[in-house]
Amino acid sequence: DIVMTQSPDSLAVSLGERATINCKSSQSVLYSSNNKNYLAWYQQKPGQPPKLLIYWASTRESGVPDRFSGSGSGTDFTLTISSLQAEDVAVYYCQQYYSTPPGFGQGTRLEIK
Amino acid sequence: QVQLQESGPGLVKPSETLSLTCAVSGYSISSGYYWGWIRQPPGKGLEWIGSIYHSGSTYYNPSLKSRVTISVDTSKNQFSLKLSSVTAADTAVYYCARHLGYGGNPYYFDYWGQGTLVTVSS
Repeated sequence: DIVMTQSPDSLAVSLGERATINCKSSQSVLYSSNNKNYLAWYQQKPGQPPKLLIYWASTRESGVPDRFSGSGSGTDFTLTISSLQAEDVAVYYCQQYYSTPPGFGQGTRLEIK
Repeated sequence: QVQLQESGPGLVKPSETLSLTCAVSGYSISSGYYWGWIRQPPGKGLEWIGSIYHSGSTYYNPSLKSRVTISVDTSKNQFSLKLSSVTAADTAVYYCARHLGYGGNPYYFDYWGQGTLVTVSS
């Protein structure tokens, strides 16, 4: 199974500042035949299900604010929130779907400093 | 708007079978997509349990495969999960979700139910 490891485990950022969350896979999730990275990002607020933010590593889901962006390729990926808002407090997960079983990172808790 | 809603017992005894149903509205299961189950133990991360294609083909996490059965009832627009021989380790919030995929490999999950907590205890 592909193991997903996120860093840091928790992060405190001031309102309006940039937040960066990293995700590393134990093997590449880049499929060479279509040059796509099989990597998604989710946001989970307390008592709610995860919400899809980003797929194919950098494609923003419809309705997701453009302050959220995804980047990276191969084994190293980043979710960036360009200007942190109060409503962004949540746990963020990355997920690989390159191979079965699809696996999630352990989560990164984002708080306001 | 696609909506999913889980239902089923919130308490299951050890060694018994956990049974949950996910009712889908706003989209016909028969029209396509995969339909899956994911669980989250309290305070922990997410684990994919398995999925079913609208045709009825099933795909399970190898770690749970021997205990999992997923089925679909297109007439009721719902799909179901059965997990046998449960232990306290199966205590979790169980989510149903929709996803794309290819060849049985799930892609990302775009619509989720609110989740239902199932506790395994005598």
